[in-house]
Amino acid sequence: AQSVTQLGSHVSVSEGALVLLRCNYSSSVPPYLFWYVQYPNQGLQLLLKYTTGATLVKGINGFEAEFKKSETSFHLTKPSAHMSDAAEYFCAVWLYSSASKIIFGSGTRLSIRP
Amino acid sequence: SQTIHQWPATLVQPVGSPLSLECTVEGTSNPNLYWYRQAAGRGLQLLFYSVGIGQISSEVPQNLSASRPQDRQFILSSKKLLLSDSGFYLCAWMPASGLPIAGELFFGEGSRLTVL
Repeated sequence: AQSVTQLGSHVSVSEGALVLLRCNYSSSVPPYLFWYVQYPNQGLQLLLKYTTGATLVKGINGFEAEFKKSETSFHLTKPSAHMSDAAEYFCAVWLYSSASKIIFGSGTRLSIRP
Repeated sequence: SQTIHQWPATLVQPVGSPLSLECTVEGTSNPNLYWYRQAAGRGLQLLFYSVGIGQISSEVPQNLSASRPQDRQFILSSKKLLLSDSGFYLCAWMPASGLPIAGELFFGEGSRLTVL
């Protein structure tokens, strides 16, 4: 069965520092992978996604993620954190070849220190 | 353009009372529809999804049910709420097929339910 694990429920970085949010997945077939961001009391919005092709994908707000099949990982990074990046981030996996389920990780809350 | 509406935004209900949350999508046809629940510290849990009218798949045995009476309408219900039903409920839709947005979920603004 597919699953998603996000290491660290809360990550705190200083403004201007590197952001690294970790995501590992378990899947028996090549998945589509996603990162979503959620601001307080709002729905989620897509940051970026990996389907096929280039393993380094760029998203909105300067975020990017790299699909590493050998490590079953899809970590999210941003070179320089901004105060507006404070939010909750979710990694998700979709097995497009089977039922239309999308499974989310437990989320990582990102805090930015001035 | 496509839009998704979810209501009510906030709801406070006593234990044992019924529940009805509604979600509608505009600007598309035959979408896949989803209900997720977000409880404090527990991430996003898939409750139900639907690939067509009257077709409901349940992911977690619980006190809730879902219905899809029309192509773009998805309803989450309960006959008797429990304290543990409190949470932030999110409706979402996904195109049934086609790239480049295959697999991408579009979320409503959420409904916050507090059961007292």
